[in-house]
Amino acid sequence: DAGVTQSPTHLIKTRGQHVTLRCSPISGHKSVSWYQQVLGQGPQFIFQYYEKEERGRGNFPDRFSARQFPNYSSELNVNALLLGDSALYLCASRDSWTSALQETQYFGPGTRLLVL
Amino acid sequence: GESVGLHLPTLSVQEGDNSIINCAYSNSASDYFIWYKQESGKGPQFIIDIRSNMDKRQGQRVTVLLNKTVKHLSLQIAATQPGDSAVYFCAESNDMRFGAGTRLTVKP
Repeated sequence: DAGVTQSPTHLIKTRGQHVTLRCSPISGHKSVSWYQQVLGQGPQFIFQYYEKEERGRGNFPDRFSARQFPNYSSELNVNALLLGDSALYLCASRDSWTSALQETQYFGPGTRLLVL
Repeated sequence: GESVGLHLPTLSVQEGDNSIINCAYSNSASDYFIWYKQESGKGPQFIIDIRSNMDKRQGQRVTVLLNKTVKHLSLQIAATQPGDSAVYFCAESNDMRFGAGTRLTVKP
């Protein structure tokens, strides 16, 4: 089975532009989470979606939004890009939405976004 | 506030030696922990997990130890190999908080 896939792999944008990143979870996984990883730091949680509903949100501004589709794939949208949005954006999937089941999640390779 | 963090940002070991990477957490309600390995240009890769009802769990060449009394966990890698060179993160699963990571460098 394919793992978590993300597209594009790399992206260059300029300040003020908008970007859409895409993620396909592992087959059978219903939950998708998005993370931002700035160089030299650990991943920071942005959103979690399960069954097309938002189940969790990190401390990110409203410029960040996401959605999940009926096939469980997901998009992360970032508006009015800032230089500080340059980072690796990671998508992760798991079968359920609650970590209470102590189920690990699996990460994709990420999309590297550079904002100039 | 609550935090998940690592004691050392870098660790350099000789090939064949054992490596120990440490992690502290402050949320006493945390009940599930995961270690990830992240190689350059890749997403984090699951290594091993441990539940709070356990003190130790072993995998292939890796062992995770959990000390709930002092809220500390460690990842031990036996016979470290060049392919183990990466950044290692501990994560607390309740809300998937990651530490900054420890960069492990294995010298041949």
